[in-house]
Amino acid sequence: NAGVTQTPKFQVLKTGQSMTLQCAQDMNHNSMYWYRQDPGMGLRLIYYSASEGTTDKGEVPNGYNVSRLNKREFSLRLESAAPSQTSVYFCASSERTGAEAFFGQGTRLTVV
Amino acid sequence: GDSVTQMEGPVTLSEEAFLTINCTYTATGYPSLFWYVQYPGEGLQLLLKATKADDKGSNKGFEATYRKETTSFHLEKGSVQVSDSAVYFCALNNAGNMLTFGGGTRLMVKP
Repeated sequence: NAGVTQTPKFQVLKTGQSMTLQCAQDMNHNSMYWYRQDPGMGLRLIYYSASEGTTDKGEVPNGYNVSRLNKREFSLRLESAAPSQTSVYFCASSERTGAEAFFGQGTRLTVV
Repeated sequence: GDSVTQMEGPVTLSEEAFLTINCTYTATGYPSLFWYVQYPGEGLQLLLKATKADDKGSNKGFEATYRKETTSFHLEKGSVQVSDSAVYFCALNNAGNMLTFGGGTRLMVKP
């Protein structure tokens, strides 16, 4: 019963480094999402993929790119990390857009 | 655009106390409403939901009623336990592509 799996769980980057956050779901969901969670600001949508082969910007896309590799996998890339990207990142999936979302356990990223 | 406003926390209660966490929303049309819970170190889990006016969602002793006249979806529980300590998020979906979340309310229950 894996659900949504994110890797890594923790990461420290230096300013300017790049990295990719991985996400996979085993529920055969069509839609996948990347959120960031910052203190006092709830969750904000970075990018989403309504279905395999499509991606769209969310509320805070600047500094990020995404790839919907296949139906199961949706990765988030930081090309040149900045301290403002220090946050907890959550991947989520849902059967279709607007349906109940299932979340991964999060990736705590610190950029120094 | 759509928005969700929750009461600011933390909310600190003694065990067996009554809980209310207020949530109001702004949206056109007829959104679906959700409460998610986040336990320490974990992702969000759906707690309950309601998809139309006057619907009551319930789970694990928690309840919330979709009130369109007051645009509210307040979370209630009659008797909280220490294990209910978590952050609670109200959210809506308005037939769009994303959930809109409130800022979250931290609940701390003391024995």
